[in-house]
Amino acid sequence: AQRVTQPEKLLSVFKGAPVELKCNYSYSGSPELFWYVQYSRQRLQLLLRHISRESIKGFTADLNKGETSFHLKKPFAQEEDSAMYYCALSGRGTDKLIFGTGTRLQVFP
Amino acid sequence: GAGVSQSPRYKVAKRGQDVALRCDPISGHVSLFWYQQALGQGPEFLTYFQNEAQLDKSGLPSDRFFAERPEGSVSTLKIQRTQQEDSAVYLCASSLALLALTDTQYFGPGTRLTVL
Repeated sequence: AQRVTQPEKLLSVFKGAPVELKCNYSYSGSPELFWYVQYSRQRLQLLLRHISRESIKGFTADLNKGETSFHLKKPFAQEEDSAMYYCALSGRGTDKLIFGTGTRLQVFP
Repeated sequence: GAGVSQSPRYKVAKRGQDVALRCDPISGHVSLFWYQQALGQGPEFLTYFQNEAQLDKSGLPSDRFFAERPEGSVSTLKIQRTQQEDSAVYLCASSLALLALTDTQYFGPGTRLTVL
């Protein structure tokens, strides 16, 4: 079965602390993995995708096929990082996205 | 430029009523997707169009749900005889659908449907 699991509903950290938002997936084949973010009162938007191997707003995510994980990391959290984060996957040959249930990140000053 | 727009932003319906939700994709985007997001959940895929062709409707929860995109641009998601379990945010997304890779999907603000 195709599934994305985000075990944490809420993650609270202080400004400057490291952040890791966990994502595990189940997919038979080679999926593409994404992180989407939704800031307060804004629409859902792409943060990063594994295939581009970019660092966006200081966030990185490495695809670990052995552990079927795609955790999102940032070494020093900022207050403006507070948002809802969704991990998602898409299978090769199909564009539809399968989302996890999301993790709310709260960064306190 | 203008992003994906959806209307209405909020809709309250009585159980049993029919509703129609509209999505205006980014101009020139070939692919259009509908997702349903229940409270506290991630978005769930409903259906997908490439131009006017509905290529995947595997996510539609019942035959009360119907989507169309007759001219390959604007799309309408129709829900007949609404039930309380239909209450959710309905998201529309569009993408250029370049051939090489899964293309970035740009999301609209969503329509929040409440069925009383």
